Amino acid sequence: SQKIEQNSEALNIQEGKTATLTCNYTNYSPAYLQWYRQDPGRGPVFLLLIRENEKEKRKERLKVTFDTTLKQSLFHITASQPADSATYLCALELSGGYNKLIFGAGTRLAVHP
Amino acid sequence: GAVVSQHPSRVICKSGTSVKIECRSLDFQATTMFWYRQFPKKSLMLMATSNEGSKATYEQGVEKDKFLINHASLTLSTLTVTSAHPEDSSFYICSARGAERYQETQYFGPGTRLLVL
Repeated sequence: SQKIEQNSEALNIQEGKTATLTCNYTNYSPAYLQWYRQDPGRGPVFLLLIRENEKEKRKERLKVTFDTTLKQSLFHITASQPADSATYLCALELSGGYNKLIFGAGTRLAVHP
Repeated sequence: GAVVSQHPSRVICKSGTSVKIECRSLDFQATTMFWYRQFPKKSLMLMATSNEGSKATYEQGVEKDKFLINHASLTLSTLTVTSAHPEDSSFYICSARGAERYQETQYFGPGTRLLVL
């Protein structure tokens, strides 16, 4: 069966440390993998997109890796801040059709001062 | 750029009534709009995809007569929950995708919280 798995338990880290979130998928062949941030009661906010032929992408303190052999993406936040506390969603974009996004359930990150 | 709004942000209605939710792309033309629902601590579930001027494409298990979607213009899509029941209570989120620099990803609205009593 097709699945997207993110750590269901909350990730608690100390301010200044690097947060690493994992997204694993099975039985999908995504054209793109995207990461979003969602705050409580709000819609997701787009952070980064990585293509199937890309290994790594960076944006400021964010870094995403994409291993299509392992079917895994890692999302890193360096020098984390309490303001980074939120739920982070990974989403697969399938090729063809209307480019639908299939979301994981998200991982809640809490950065403590 | 790429701002998507939803109205209302929250709505409470009685069982059996219909509720309309609006989704607007404010600063770009949305060639495709998507509607999702999300239960607490759960993933976003795609309900339907719509292109401007076309009928919406519904995901398996989503009743098209229950959730009416209209995408009449390049900046507006509406979701009408007909004869709402308590089990329809959820967080409904729309997203939009445009052309050129707005085609890379989906831009999400802030969501609408629906509570059916």
